[in-house]
Parts: sequence; C-alpha cells; structure tokens
Amino acid sequence: DAKTTQPPSMDCAEGRAANLPCNHSTISGNEYVYWYRQIHSQGPQYIIHGLKNNETNEMASLIITEDRKSSTLILPHATLRDTAVYYCIVRPNFGNEKLTFGTGTRLTIIP
Amino acid sequence: DSGVTQTPKHLITATGQRVTLRCSPRSGDLSVYWYQQSLDQGLQFLIQYYNGEERAKGNILERFSAQQFPDLHSELNLSSLELGDSALYFCASSTGILAGFSTDTQYFGPGTRLTVL
Repeated sequence: DAKTTQPPSMDCAEGRAANLPCNHSTISGNEYVYWYRQIHSQGPQYIIHGLKNNETNEMASLIITEDRKSSTLILPHATLRDTAVYYCIVRPNFGNEKLTFGTGTRLTIIP
Repeated sequence: DSGVTQTPKHLITATGQRVTLRCSPRSGDLSVYWYQQSLDQGLQFLIQYYNGEERAKGNILERFSAQQFPDLHSELNLSSLELGDSALYFCASSTGILAGFSTDTQYFGPGTRLTVL
C-alpha cells in the first residue's frame, strides 16, 4: 500500500475551515484515498473517500490533486467537536481490504 | 452511531488469563475486521472474516484467534494474556458485497478496552 505523510498536529479556529493535507506521492492508479478520524479513544469514524475526482458529503470535502500525489480534507466550518486525530489512508480498490493507519494529524479546534 | 456493537466495553484481567471479545456487525454486513490499538503500535489490523471464512490475516499473535458465526457476529479470543496485550480492540464491518473493492467502506465499533494486570 502507498505510504502517506501527514503533519503531526494542526490548530484551527472554531468556525473557520480546517484544511488537512496528506501526501501520497507513491499512490498507484487503483488506489483510493480514505479519511477517517478518531475522537479521543472512540472507534475511528469514516469521513470520506475518493479516487481522482473531488468529493463532498455532509461531513467534509476531499480535494485530490490532478496527479493524485496529494489531497486535502476540508472541514468547512470547524466546531469543537471536530477536535480529533485525522487519518489519511491509501487503499487499493481490490485485493487488500485492510486499512493501514499511520500516525495521523491531531487537529485541535480553538474556541 | 456506526451500527457496529462491541462487548464488553471494558475488561480487566490478569496475566495468563483468557478473554473473549464480541462484535456484532451492522445489519447486512458480511465482512468483519479486528484491529488493535496500543500506545506504542498505533492502530493495527489483526484479522478479517468474510461470511464465516477467514479472508485476511495481519499482525495477529498465535495466542489470539477469531471466528465469525453463522449469524455473522464475531469473537476475538485472546489467551495467555501478557501485560503488553493491554490495548483498545476495535471491530469494523463492511458490506463485503463488493468484496475485493475498496469502495466497500469499513465502519468501526466503539471498541473494547482491555487491561491486563
């Protein structure tokens, strides 16, 4: 599986957009980008995933660069409840269904 | 609420003992995954079952075993427990209908916190 690189920590003011970057320069054509978050010691929560087009759902937007070597997760209006560790995961679209978690980005929303 | 349930929520036991963790997947999901999260190792995949059959194995110790029953719930058995087995154990489930395709999103349960004294 392709390796991902994320900043270890970020701060964002409440109400502002939180932009979390992820580098996956070795991603291959059949690999998806997934984002999960873990609030304190709760179970990881699925946020969004994409292959090459930008994606949006009720939680977030995912922007993938044209060369697919990096992506950005956007939380449009961050709240205190968005404080969590965010994991960017690259996973092939067949054959290997496990999720390989890195160390993620610890996002702190500041009131 | 992801729809995945895990019991018990907390488990405290002694070294050398055996415990069983239980997971009920979301309704209709055929695949169940087990992950371990310890302070020093992060979140690691242990094992996956699909419709009762073992499908993939990760960093699972020989002292650990799992199974998935006909009603699709799964149990993770941990034996000869050591202090280092203290961790959070998460179960996740996915539909498995598109088994082998990454659009088969995994949803995680709340976890079982195991403390070995």
